[in-house]
Amino acid sequence: GAVVSQHPSRVICKSGTSVKIECRSLDFQATTMFWYRQFPKKSLMLMATSNEGSKATYEQGVEKDKFLINHASLTLSTLTVTSAHPEDSSFYICSARPRLLLAKNIQYFGAGTRLSVL
Amino acid sequence: AQTVTQSQPEMSVQEAETVTLSCTYDTSESNYYLFWYKQPPSRQMILVIRQEAYKQQNATENRFSVNFQKAAKSFSLKISDSQLGDTAMYFCAFTSISNFGNEKLTFGTGTRLTIIP
Repeated sequence: GAVVSQHPSRVICKSGTSVKIECRSLDFQATTMFWYRQFPKKSLMLMATSNEGSKATYEQGVEKDKFLINHASLTLSTLTVTSAHPEDSSFYICSARPRLLLAKNIQYFGAGTRLSVL
Repeated sequence: AQTVTQSQPEMSVQEAETVTLSCTYDTSESNYYLFWYKQPPSRQMILVIRQEAYKQQNATENRFSVNFQKAAKSFSLKISDSQLGDTAMYFCAFTSISNFGNEKLTFGTGTRLTIIP
């Protein structure tokens, strides 16, 4: 149980295009999903917290208009990197917190998306 | 703000030996959760073990156990009988507690563990 699917696993795009990454909780409902960015050999940096049915909360320094987050249902959140540039190339990871395990504060992670912007 | 510190960037140990990864944290809260996550070469983050701060008993999960010292704000991970599949990046993480479910995880910088055959 507690599987989080993240798609695509890898994407290569041209500079100036937009890329959408999906994060789905397959066997549980998630009221809260998180989006992280990870640079090579570094820790995870939280970009934003996504709550179902409401606007995402972005961390300081993260551009809202650049990284659009939509949490349309209890099982799906999407991250869209708009007008991508080479400096946006990174590994993006999502996580989801099961609604029924709210008190345990456990997050389950997707397998990540490697974005390469040419 | 909470901070999590992992002072060992890299460690290596022979297969079947025991290894301990260190983690310290700083918080003004009295109740919270601590985690160890593993990130193998596949990059998939996997929960290894979880400790609730109000519990004095150290958490254990098979070969994995923690030494939780609340007063010292220390949360080390011990891996017994280490296996090749334990080779990974290990992250210590902290989260506070509330009723809203949107608490953030604060991660340490990680320890790269290599198990040597």
